[in-house]
Amino acid sequence: AQKITQTQPGMFVQEKEAVTLDCTYDTSDPSYGLFWYKQPSSGEMIFLIYQGSYDQQNATEGRYSLNFQKARKSANLVISASQLGDSAMYFCAMREGRNTDKLIFGTGTRLQVFP
Amino acid sequence: DTGVSQDPRHKITKRGQNVTFRCDPISEHNRLYWYRQTLGQGPEFLTYFQNEAQLEKSRLLSDRFSAERPKGSFSTLEIQRTEQGDSAMYLCASSLALGTGRVTEAFFGQGTRLTVV
Repeated sequence: AQKITQTQPGMFVQEKEAVTLDCTYDTSDPSYGLFWYKQPSSGEMIFLIYQGSYDQQNATEGRYSLNFQKARKSANLVISASQLGDSAMYFCAMREGRNTDKLIFGTGTRLQVFP
Repeated sequence: DTGVSQDPRHKITKRGQNVTFRCDPISEHNRLYWYRQTLGQGPEFLTYFQNEAQLEKSRLLSDRFSAERPKGSFSTLEIQRTEQGDSAMYLCASSLALGTGRVTEAFFGQGTRLTVV
């Protein structure tokens, strides 16, 4: 079974609008962390936001927020007020358990912001 | 520049040759990771270090792959007898493991793109 599932290969959004990128995860470990990274065409993975499994509130970082629904095992990224520079690949990732530090990534969503 | 740096950025090699990549992490970071990313996929974990110690290796890391971090600073990833299937982007990342058990987020370099012909 896929540990991280991103069902949207591509998304389009108009500049200044909000967009939601979906991510579902699969784990039986009660302790885990969820991450979103942005990968522009230059190749570098840029950290955006983190949500811990025990965090009571949804994470927010500027224009990024994470809609964490634990019972549904979903961790959707919401980007508000999209900008042309947001066009990139977006990856959801999970760090599972306390005894490992590796990240498990999804297949990504390509976001294109148009004027 | 205080980010993670990788060298070279691009490498083309003939099948059967050995290649070595270097990663310089953010200076105060004690954890260093290697990932591999093929076209259309997310990065796949290969291995990670805390200081000099290699703490975890993926089954993806066959006996042709070896990673080192001899002084707990920079790291090298060597691939021996390269195969066409090794063609990928090799990403390095670093983070800081705090004494409390908390680990900061991983910061990635721009990667080394390997093409095996």
